[in-house]
Amino acid sequence: DAKTTQPNSMESNEEEPVHLPCNHSTISGTDYIHWYRQLPSQGPEYVIHGLTSNVNNRMASLAIAEDRKSSTLILHRATLRDAAVYYCILRGGSSNTGKLIFGQGTTLQVKP
Amino acid sequence: DTAVSQTPKYLVTQMGNDKSIKCEQNLGHDTMYWYKQDSKKFLKIMFSYNNKELIINETVPNRFSPKSPDKAHLNLHINSLELGDSAVYFCASSQDGRHYGYTFGSGTRLTVV
Repeated sequence: DAKTTQPNSMESNEEEPVHLPCNHSTISGTDYIHWYRQLPSQGPEYVIHGLTSNVNNRMASLAIAEDRKSSTLILHRATLRDAAVYYCILRGGSSNTGKLIFGQGTTLQVKP
Repeated sequence: DTAVSQTPKYLVTQMGNDKSIKCEQNLGHDTMYWYKQDSKKFLKIMFSYNNKELIINETVPNRFSPKSPDKAHLNLHINSLELGDSAVYFCASSQDGRHYGYTFGSGTRLTVV
């Protein structure tokens, strides 16, 4: 299973953009890049995913490097409710039901 | 409507007991999973079922036995509970395919005393 590397923690100020980086230098051509977050005392929550092109949804944007060896999750305007652990995960595998393997993630603190 | 629901939310039990955690999803997903999150907050996959068939079985003690009566349900039965089984257990479901996300339940906090 291809691995990802993320900073252990990041800080942001409320209402400012946040860029959460992820390195995945061993990504294979069929791996999708998934991002999840886990708020305190809750289950992980899907945020966004992509393959090659940048992606936007109501929660965030995902910028994928041209060589796909890194990606950045962008929260356009951080709120206190965005304080969570953010996980960057590659979903691939030999079967269609490739499992999600969670790393340590990035703990995001948002300061008022 | 809760998409992935787990019961109970909290479970406190003594060592040596047998307990079950239930999970149901109403999303029509084909695959369901059990994850364990220990005190260090690492999330580890335990099992996965696809259309009632076991497809992932990580290195988990035999005391843990998943059961899927239909594709909307995946239960976890634990025999002879040990102190080290204390953790938060999350159920999740997804459609087949690498481009689909997982939907997680809110977790069951198991405390073995």
